[in-house]
Amino acid sequence: GENVEQHPSTLSVQEGDSAVIKCTYSDSASNYFPWYKQELGKRPQLIIDIRSNVGEKKDQRIAVTLNKTAKHFSLHITETQPEDSAVYFCAATTSAGGTSYGKLTFGQGTILTVHP
Amino acid sequence: NAGVTQTPKFHILKIGQSMTLQCTQDMNHNYMYWYRQDPGMGLKLIYYSVGAGITDKGEVPNGYNVSRSTTEDFPLRLELAAPSQTSVYFCASSRMGGSSEQYFGPGTRLTVT
Repeated sequence: GENVEQHPSTLSVQEGDSAVIKCTYSDSASNYFPWYKQELGKRPQLIIDIRSNVGEKKDQRIAVTLNKTAKHFSLHITETQPEDSAVYFCAATTSAGGTSYGKLTFGQGTILTVHP
Repeated sequence: NAGVTQTPKFHILKIGQSMTLQCTQDMNHNYMYWYRQDPGMGLKLIYYSVGAGITDKGEVPNGYNVSRSTTEDFPLRLELAAPSQTSVYFCASSRMGGSSEQYFGPGTRLTVT
């Protein structure tokens, strides 16, 4: 099955700096890669996603890049703010027989702390 | 729309007892999922459903059962609870599976002791 590795496990930055979180995946058939933000005691919330036919996607201060050949994708947050502090998870879909049912495999998470 | 709702929010269960975690969505989504999240870890898929009457195992199904008699409801049953099932359980739904966004419920924090 799919295996997703996420690094780093913790990331500390100063307000205004950029933050980068990287994930690698094992299943070359995976074709959907969402990123979730989870605040303490809350549910995961989708912040950005990318599909395998696209190399990069941007939404204001957040961007995601995908390298299908190397099987890795990254989350980039620019101009970080204290409210960006949270746990971030990457994920990838697994598929069975070429059909994906949205069965997500998650990375282990990155605790991002933005210091004012 | 309430989105995805889960009950209870918290529960303490004794070893060997059974219980059902409830999940309901009002978005008419066909796909529903159950994940568990252990402390400091990512979410792991327990079971999923692609529509009423159709369910299948995920990555960690042992010790759990599900049913899907309606589009709206997807209960998760724990039989003979064990301490290893102490976790936070999240239910999610999506419109089309595949690359559709999954919407998560608020979670149920379960302690087995």
